[in-house]
Amino acid sequence: GAGVSQSPSNKVTEKGKDVELRCDPISGHTALYWYRQSLGQGLEFLIYFQGNSAPDKSGLPSDRFSAERTGGSVSTLTIQRTQQEDSAVYLCASSLPGENYGYTFGSGTRLTVV
Amino acid sequence: QQQVKQSPQSLIVQKGGISIINCAYENTAFDYFPWYQQFPGKGPALLIAIRPDVSEKKEGRFTISFNKSAKQFSLHIMDSQPGDSATYFCAARGSGNTGKLIFGQGTTLQVKP
Repeated sequence: GAGVSQSPSNKVTEKGKDVELRCDPISGHTALYWYRQSLGQGLEFLIYFQGNSAPDKSGLPSDRFSAERTGGSVSTLTIQRTQQEDSAVYLCASSLPGENYGYTFGSGTRLTVV
Repeated sequence: QQQVKQSPQSLIVQKGGISIINCAYENTAFDYFPWYQQFPGKGPALLIAIRPDVSEKKEGRFTISFNKSAKQFSLHIMDSQPGDSATYFCAARGSGNTGKLIFGQGTTLQVKP
């Protein structure tokens, strides 16, 4: 597609429920990133996929968070047993490989845990 | 050492004025420093970027100044316009194969007409 597509755009869930957030990167972008943006905060790195390499999961805040990327394209971020502190905007970005390419971000999924 | 510190948190500038946002870092392995612009309800968009072997880069009204010895870099927006009102993030990336960016906390800019 023309840009990075994220779905849903908004998600309200009850505390304790599991949620799945989806990211469709730009075709041909081998690198994919998930970030979290809490209200008034910067962008917190969560996880990074690059081609067939093992993902960099160093930013995942707890074992309730996981992500996968199927076929080197679509990625799903799963949050199990959601907590109120998980409420944030979850942003996905993709980029071409190499050092000279910036990220293209999607518009994010706004998650609200009630 | 992985942090990027950004200031100010918010900024109000009159139309036509100069907006200046500053960032500082500790990790000397960082080798790429982009700035992103974010409008409400949208994801951040790449605005301009610089590498540490260059002290300044200009694109239109936007200029990055880079001070390698001080480990600081700044964004200058000349002739600021109301349409520039947005949140700005600086970022830094480590060298090597990883493309992971470390972002500053963001600056909310308001340009008054």
